[in-house]
Amino acid sequence: DGGITQSPKYLFRKEGQNVTLSCEQNLNHDAMYWYRQDPGQGLRLIYYSQIVNDFQKGDIAEGYSVSREKKESFPLTVTSAQKNPTAFYLCATGGGNGGYTFGSGTRLTVV
Amino acid sequence: GQQLNQSPQSMFIQEGEDVSMNCTSSSIFNTWLWYKQDPGEGPVLLIALYKAGELTSNGRLTAQFGITRKDSFLNISASIPSDVGIYFCAGLRGGTASKLTFGTGTRLQVTL
Repeated sequence: DGGITQSPKYLFRKEGQNVTLSCEQNLNHDAMYWYRQDPGQGLRLIYYSQIVNDFQKGDIAEGYSVSREKKESFPLTVTSAQKNPTAFYLCATGGGNGGYTFGSGTRLTVV
Repeated sequence: GQQLNQSPQSMFIQEGEDVSMNCTSSSIFNTWLWYKQDPGEGPVLLIALYKAGELTSNGRLTAQFGITRKDSFLNISASIPSDVGIYFCAGLRGGTASKLTFGTGTRLQVTL
């Protein structure tokens, strides 16, 4: 059945290392989004893509990069330029009714 | 970016009590949505509202789209322990490139 899959569930990064978070969907949705959530906080938009081969910066894009080569996939790379990357990362797809479907998240920790 | 104002920020209630929370904005939205996030998981859509004044229920949950289109309310009746989590409101203005604007969240804890 259709859904959105994020992997891995937990990820550990060393200082100065780039890491990539995976987000795959089979809902046939055009729009995909990446959010960051810090403990006890709301959702902050990192990047979004309304269509394949196009993406836009969100509110906190510095230190992150994305690609959208396929409709099904929207990976997020957390680069060494992101000074405080420890957080819970959520990927979402946008449906026609305006609601988003979220993945189960990736918890990234710097060690 | 803008975030919608949710209140209360957190609440502790006893099992069986009713819960109310609200979400306000300085600007108009054409769609209001309510999500629930369990610990360590992604938010799940609870209720969607598409028309000003609309009142919609989903089991013990009831939500309303404010008549001014600048607010929305969520009520949970007869709370149970599994209601624990963070509740987010979200608004959508409309248009092909429109994105959801999320609220700051209400953390609900239910005691036995």
